[in-house]
Amino acid sequence: SQQGEEDPQALSIQEGENATMNCSYKTSINNLQWYRQNSGRGLVHLILIRSNEREKHSGRLRVTLDTSKKSSSLLITASRAADTASYFCATPQGGSEKLVFGKGTKLTVNP
Amino acid sequence: GAGVSQSPRYKVAKRGQDVALRCDPISGHVSLFWYQQALGQGPEFLTYFQNEAQLDKSGLPSDRFFAERPEGSVSTLKIQRTQQEDSAVYLCASSFAGTVSNSPLHFGNGTRLTVT
Repeated sequence: SQQGEEDPQALSIQEGENATMNCSYKTSINNLQWYRQNSGRGLVHLILIRSNEREKHSGRLRVTLDTSKKSSSLLITASRAADTASYFCATPQGGSEKLVFGKGTKLTVNP
Repeated sequence: GAGVSQSPRYKVAKRGQDVALRCDPISGHVSLFWYQQALGQGPEFLTYFQNEAQLDKSGLPSDRFFAERPEGSVSTLKIQRTQQEDSAVYLCASSFAGTVSNSPLHFGNGTRLTVT
């Protein structure tokens, strides 16, 4: 069972462009997390945004959260070839420590 | 160690064999999670430990799957009588705090299990 759904499933852009990925979820949350996964590797935590926050920045990453629409977006500015990876949103399933991941967006940044 | 370590990195098993997958979490991390990731999909939760206590095993797909963390550090995921549908990457993650609301997960690189 997957709580979050990322959109688009795949995204291909040129180096230097911005990349925007969206995540929708179904139930109330207290936080939402974004992770990156390079091919053949484990996931790396990027950013955590709490339900009382609307926007958060970390370097070239900008995450927004709209709890009324149950959606979040991840923006990567000035993308680099090294940003090529799959990106996942994840939310705790209500009342448990189970972090539920979406299916991910596969981002390709062409040099 | 510097990160979460999983072994083996790759495992090929014949259908019906038992396998054991090992996870060494980051030292001092309280929580440990196992996830299963099919090709092209997101990780699916299997089970969660806080120290040595297995607090949630709701994601284990069948009674052929068993996980333990006897001393609150290293964990082993065991799959008995493997089936082809068990082929996947098994990811282990640990976190410092006891709640995912306060502490992100640190993942290992996974064990890719192929059942032939």
